[in-house]
Amino acid sequence: LAKTTQPISMDSYEGQEVNITCSHNNIATNDYITWYQQFPSQGPRFIIQGYKTKVTNEVASLFIPADRKSSTLSLPRVSLSDTAVYYCLVGEGYGGSQGNLIFGKGTKLSVKP
Amino acid sequence: DGGITQSPKYLFRKEGQNVTLSCEQNLNHDAMYWYRQDPGQGLRLIYYSQIVNDFQKGDIAEGYSVSREKKESFPLTVTSAQKNPTAFYLCASSPPGTGISHGYTFGSGTRLTVV
Repeated sequence: LAKTTQPISMDSYEGQEVNITCSHNNIATNDYITWYQQFPSQGPRFIIQGYKTKVTNEVASLFIPADRKSSTLSLPRVSLSDTAVYYCLVGEGYGGSQGNLIFGKGTKLSVKP
Repeated sequence: DGGITQSPKYLFRKEGQNVTLSCEQNLNHDAMYWYRQDPGQGLRLIYYSQIVNDFQKGDIAEGYSVSREKKESFPLTVTSAQKNPTAFYLCASSPPGTGISHGYTFGSGTRLTVV
């Protein structure tokens, strides 16, 4: 699985848009980019996955440039409940080989009132 | 509702003791995983199993053991050989062909403390 690099922490205020960027210079052709969210003392949960360009769901948007060497998770109008650790993962997507999720330290997002 | 149940939520272990953490799933998933998380750190893979009666070591298997006698159950034993077992332990499962997509389900974790 490709190695990923993301900021250790970020601060924001309620109502702001938050963008978390992840670098993955060694991403392979078959790899997808996936983001997970983890609240304290809970297991991570899936947020969004993409391969290229832009993906949007009810929770977030994921922007992936043409070279796919980085990606940006965008959280619109964050609230206090978005305070969590966000992990960027790169590997084969659905239908691919059974991958073992490899989590780095993630980005700790703190949302203030 | 389907999901993963980990028990107990909190566990205290004396030095030199073996303890077993329970993980049960009713999602009919083939693959199951155990992760360890230390404060401020990401998750590290201990063991995983892709099918009943088969399992493989992850990155930090030393001092741990597992069994997979039933599809629904994947207990983790923390042995006395594990020198620093205090951590948050997470169990997960996934169906085949999930890759790294949304198919993974995590339990709510067991916090183990050595006293």
